[in-house]
Amino acid sequence: DTAVSQTPKYLVTQMGNDKSIKCEQNLGHDTMYWYKQDSKKFLKIMFSYNNKELIINETVPNRFSPKSPDKAHLNLHINSLELGDSAVYFCASSLMGVGTQYFGPGTRLLVL
Amino acid sequence: SQQGEEDPQALSIQEGENATMNCSYKTSINNLQWYRQNSGRGLVHLILIRSNEREKHSGRLRVTLDTSKKSSSLLITASRAADTASYFCATDAGGTASKLTFGTGTRLQVTL
Repeated sequence: DTAVSQTPKYLVTQMGNDKSIKCEQNLGHDTMYWYKQDSKKFLKIMFSYNNKELIINETVPNRFSPKSPDKAHLNLHINSLELGDSAVYFCASSLMGVGTQYFGPGTRLLVL
Repeated sequence: SQQGEEDPQALSIQEGENATMNCSYKTSINNLQWYRQNSGRGLVHLILIRSNEREKHSGRLRVTLDTSKKSSSLLITASRAADTASYFCATDAGGTASKLTFGTGTRLQVTL
């Protein structure tokens, strides 16, 4: 039983394309996150949703648009992909106020 | 801006030895957490220490927190080859969202 799952695991695409990454958690958590990990392993938060409401929106290009259809799902859509978008994208979830976050396995995005 | 700095960046020890990693941060926190990331995998939560705690233990892990120096350390005792991974500290400033700000990570290599 995977707690936080992401699809796809790998994504190779051309510059300029639009792609989506999906995330699902079965932990009953109310808060979900997207993080980006660059080639130097630096991990930075991008977005967070609590009960389908956007609560954290870091300085991220508006080509990135998160969508939360329900508490258990948080998707990330990226328009007009650029070379610099190549990274590993992690989804995570938690219970609001608890602190501990549970991470998915990551989606490795390579933009050619 | 990047919150946490960790040192060393890389650490290589033999099985059975202890490993100590340090983390420094810049602003006030609600809690500090340590995560482990195995190569090519997601992050796994190890331990959380609150701002009013000074030391916490979990199995072979010992975490200290000095809020006056804005620093924390993670000690892994009697290390095993399976401990080989990257270790990240993450600070949570509290507030309405559990926004984690990650450090730069320490790459630990445990050899037989």
